[in-house]
Amino acid sequence: SQKIEQNSEALNIQEGKTATLTCNYTNYSPAYLQWYRQDPGRGPVFLLLIRENEKEKRKERLKVTFDTTLKQSLFHITASQPADSATYLCALGGLGGGADGLTFGKGTHLIIQP
Amino acid sequence: NAGVMQNPRHLVRRRGQEARLRCSPMKGHSHVYWYRQLPEEGLKFMVYLQKENIIDESGMPKERFSAEFPKEGPSILRIQQVVRGDSAAYFCASSRPPSGGGYSTDTQYFGPGTRLTVL
Repeated sequence: SQKIEQNSEALNIQEGKTATLTCNYTNYSPAYLQWYRQDPGRGPVFLLLIRENEKEKRKERLKVTFDTTLKQSLFHITASQPADSATYLCALGGLGGGADGLTFGKGTHLIIQP
Repeated sequence: NAGVMQNPRHLVRRRGQEARLRCSPMKGHSHVYWYRQLPEEGLKFMVYLQKENIIDESGMPKERFSAEFPKEGPSILRIQQVVRGDSAAYFCASSRPPSGGGYSTDTQYFGPGTRLTVL
């Protein structure tokens, strides 16, 4: 069956350290993968998109990797800050010939402790 | 440059009533998506529309739910005869038309959502 799995438990990280979040998927072949941030009571905010032919993408303190052989994406936040505390969503795209929406994981709740 | 707008932000309906949720995409965006998020669940795709066309409604329940994106005005998600199980957050997202033509899209920008409560 098709699955997208993100760390179901909350991830507690000390301020200043690097937070690493995992997104694993099975029986999907996405053309691209996106990461979003969602705060309580708000809509998801786009962070990064990485395509199947890209290994790594960076944006300021954020880095995403995409391994289509392992069917895994890793999302890193370096020099983490309490303001980075939120739920982070992984989403797969380009699954059905292009004419489709995103397929989301349930998200990982990240807590950065001062 | 305003982002995706949704209204109302909160909507309360009694069982059997109709709910209408509105979404205005970002300027320059002609593709609209609707998603539903149930408590403790991930976002689930419902429907993908372009102006005056439904492109993909594979995630939409077959009964009571409909969506439109008219030539003028916002996209509307309509839920008829609401039931308690329809209580959820409904998010709209928009994207630009693909540069190479066709239906492929990438970055979707989300609105703040409408929280529907059915009593």
